[in-house]
Amino acid sequence: QVTLRESGPALVKPTQTLTLTCTFSGFSLTTTGMCVSWIRQPPGKALEWLARIDWDDDKYYSRSLRTRLTISKDTSKNQVVLTMTNMDPVDTATYYCTRTLNGHFDYWGQGTLVTVSS
Amino acid sequence: QSVLTQPPSASGTPGQRVTISCSGSSSNIGSNTVHWYQQLPGTAPKLLIDSFNQRPSGVPDRFSGSKSGTSASLAISGLQSEDEADYYCAAWDDSLHGWVFGGGTKVTVL
Repeated sequence: QVTLRESGPALVKPTQTLTLTCTFSGFSLTTTGMCVSWIRQPPGKALEWLARIDWDDDKYYSRSLRTRLTISKDTSKNQVVLTMTNMDPVDTATYYCTRTLNGHFDYWGQGTLVTVSS
Repeated sequence: QSVLTQPPSASGTPGQRVTISCSGSSSNIGSNTVHWYQQLPGTAPKLLIDSFNQRPSGVPDRFSGSKSGTSASLAISGLQSEDEADYYCAAWDDSLHGWVFGGGTKVTVL
């Protein structure tokens, strides 16, 4: 049974750095072809893909946010961490981590709402 | 402004067929597979049609996907009240080196 769970602060101040952790079970990020992505959704708005990390440690980032994002993994803990620097109120969103396999997002976490406000 | 274009809303009565379009370009839909997601109110999105144009286990066969050129479509036949949700298309974009989503279509069952 595949599960993913996002964790991190619910509230961050503008200019701060956000660190989110995705803890997963039911699969291994050492398996060939396995990837984990982060996707966010501002309230009432559309989904936006942020970043992806692959089993071989290849990393891909949203072109518009690449200077602010860092994705990493700890395979021993079954965790993927996303950091986003210089947070702004427009970054207020629900952040999802997803298992990414064969080019689609087949399992999603429940999401974590992050509000950026002073 | 989303890279993939979807109509903001669609509606139908129970039993009707509803089609949602997703328009892209040669760098995304035109050269890569499309996948679709259903998001019920207050919940996380769920994979509805995968990159192989298949339905994951548990997805009713009234949902189907198709693609032609730089556009794709999701069809819901035999619309049911539980199909009221937001639907998103997605595809890899070769120019952006990342996935792009549509703006989402809210389906209402009248």
